[in-house]
Amino acid sequence: DAKTTQPPSMDCAEGRAANLPCNHSTISGNEYVYWYRQIHSQGPQYIIHGLKNNETNEMASLIITEDRKSSTLILPHATLRDTAVYYCIVRVEYNTDKLIFGTGTRLQVFP
Amino acid sequence: SQTIHQWPATLVQPVGSPLSLECTVEGTSNPNLYWYRQAAGRGLQLLFYSVGIGQISSEVPQNLSASRPQDRQFILSSKKLLLSDSGFYLCAWTRTRAGYEQFFGPGTRLTVL
Repeated sequence: DAKTTQPPSMDCAEGRAANLPCNHSTISGNEYVYWYRQIHSQGPQYIIHGLKNNETNEMASLIITEDRKSSTLILPHATLRDTAVYYCIVRVEYNTDKLIFGTGTRLQVFP
Repeated sequence: SQTIHQWPATLVQPVGSPLSLECTVEGTSNPNLYWYRQAAGRGLQLLFYSVGIGQISSEVPQNLSASRPQDRQFILSSKKLLLSDSGFYLCAWTRTRAGYEQFFGPGTRLTVL
């Protein structure tokens, strides 16, 4: 199973872009990169996922390097409500869709 | 639209007592279902997953068990709770074979005393 490495914590000023890195150097060719976030005392929330192309949705952008060994989640204009733990996950098995969560990055957005 | 329910929201139980947590999904059929546990200040640990009625896979050895008696019902149980079973229990579901997004329930906060 591919594993991911993320910094344990990051700070970001409100209104600025938050760039959250993730290393997944052992990712396989058919594995996707997923990002979820968990606001305190709630269940995780899906943000975005991608295979090898950059992706963008209403919540964030995902930049995956050409060799697919790392990626960056970008929150273009962070707000206080974006304070959460962000998990970078590589999907393990297609049939079961298991997601193995690591320890994530705790993003603190400050005024 | 699809919704996922968990109950109870909070639970305080003595050591050695039994446990039953229930999760139900509405608005979809044949979902994959998952139980996670999150200890205080820790990440999520996958406990069980199910791809169909009566099909349960366990991820970690423990004194918990899971059952799926109906297509959209997933139950987490224990015969005798341990202190280490305290935590935040989350149920989740995905659409079978197209589940790029996993949907989580509101969770049950269990305290074992």
